[in-house]
Amino acid sequence: QSVLTQPPSVSGAPGQRVTISCTGSSSNIGAGYDVHWYQQLPGTAPKLLIRGNNNRPSGVPDRFSGSKSGTSASLAITGLQAEDEADYYCQSYDNRLSASGVFGGGTKLTVL
Amino acid sequence: EVQLLESGGGLVQPGGSLRLSCAASGFTLSTYAMGWVRQAPGKGLEWVSGISGSGDTTYYTDSVKGRFTISRDNSKNTLYLQMNILRAEDTAVYYCAKRPLPTIFGPGGNYFHPWGQGTLVTVSS
Repeated sequence: QSVLTQPPSVSGAPGQRVTISCTGSSSNIGAGYDVHWYQQLPGTAPKLLIRGNNNRPSGVPDRFSGSKSGTSASLAITGLQAEDEADYYCQSYDNRLSASGVFGGGTKLTVL
Repeated sequence: EVQLLESGGGLVQPGGSLRLSCAASGFTLSTYAMGWVRQAPGKGLEWVSGISGSGDTTYYTDSVKGRFTISRDNSKNTLYLQMNILRAEDTAVYYCAKRPLPTIFGPGGNYFHPWGQGTLVTVSS
């Protein structure tokens, strides 16, 4: 059971907007710690998509954005494209654990 | 350009050993913390081990403590993961990844970027 909870799957049609939630608790997201997001295309390594809640690394399209509120965070993808079909993972810090790299269980995004 | 290239994966019997390597280029390994993250077939991501930039602080997830050892050779700019007493549940793709700061603990800069392409470890008889 992951410390951070994500929906197993979401879907959307090309051009639509989808969001992926990441729900934590008072020991991680709710404590104010940053949330990061990764995209894993089929058969490839994860790639950093959003760091520090809502900052895109160089090269990441501005169709991707992150937000955080309370004990949850969200990844939003606008203008959905076929190449966005991938698995998405959130990650944060948890002050109850010795690790500072706790991941969500991942969400499979299907572009219809 | 920062690049990470893993090697050393393969098929090993339960109880056996493997050593994974991660050759880093485009940056000085000793300046940053590094980690190994694994992904079992069809499963999510799990941070397995980490080492600080100075090498004096290490992290292991509970399931590998006492069996895995992380180390680095700064002269070769290479990160290693020695895996002993391997179990079927260690079967996974193992990725090495760079952290943005020298530290591996604490909330600051605790993301991984970039990642290597991964190396598959299969533990089976």
